[in-house]
Amino acid sequence: GDSVTQMEGPVTLSEEAFLTINCTYTATGYPSLFWYVQYPGEGLQLLLKATKADDKGSNKGFEATYRKETTSFHLEKGSVQVSDSAVYFCALSDAQGGSEKLVFGKGTKLTVNP
Amino acid sequence: EPEVTQTPSHQVTQMGQEVILRCVPISNHLYFYWYRQILGQKVEFLVSFYNNEISEKSEIFDDQFSVERPDGSNFTLKIRSTKLEDSAMYFCAMTYQETQYFGPGTRLLVL
Repeated sequence: GDSVTQMEGPVTLSEEAFLTINCTYTATGYPSLFWYVQYPGEGLQLLLKATKADDKGSNKGFEATYRKETTSFHLEKGSVQVSDSAVYFCALSDAQGGSEKLVFGKGTKLTVNP
Repeated sequence: EPEVTQTPSHQVTQMGQEVILRCVPISNHLYFYWYRQILGQKVEFLVSFYNNEISEKSEIFDDQFSVERPDGSNFTLKIRSTKLEDSAMYFCAMTYQETQYFGPGTRLLVL
């Protein structure tokens, strides 16, 4: 079945450092790809998405490019802030599986220190 | 961005008791989902609900779980006889413009 693999955390960075969180996927069809963020004590918020190969999703300085050839959707940000501290989840949705349920990775906890 | 609310925000129950978790979308949508997240683990799909019917369910969604939309607005998840391992955060989600938006979750603790 479909699956998502994220780099293991936790990740600890200093403010203004460059961030990369790796995400690769396995899917039978042509999935849409998402990054969700979960701030401490809160629910899941959509960060960005891409629906087809070579699409780039971006939001709040974060970017991720849908790479079909490497089945990847790595999250990047050029300069992180303390307020970016959260858990980041990579996810896919493959409508060919029936409903468009989301399949999540395990999550990567990011801590940004001042 | 559409808003989804969930009630209660927290619930503590005794093992074997029934619980009902509620989800209220602000606007009228057809596709709903329930997910759960056991503490420190990944978010897992439970069930999808389309046009008042279950369209897909996971292995986790066994006979003790049920979903319904009793009054055309609220969307409920019922756990008939709770077990200790049902302790988790339960998220409702709905689809809008090909994207799922999540509620803030209900934290369920089974003692």
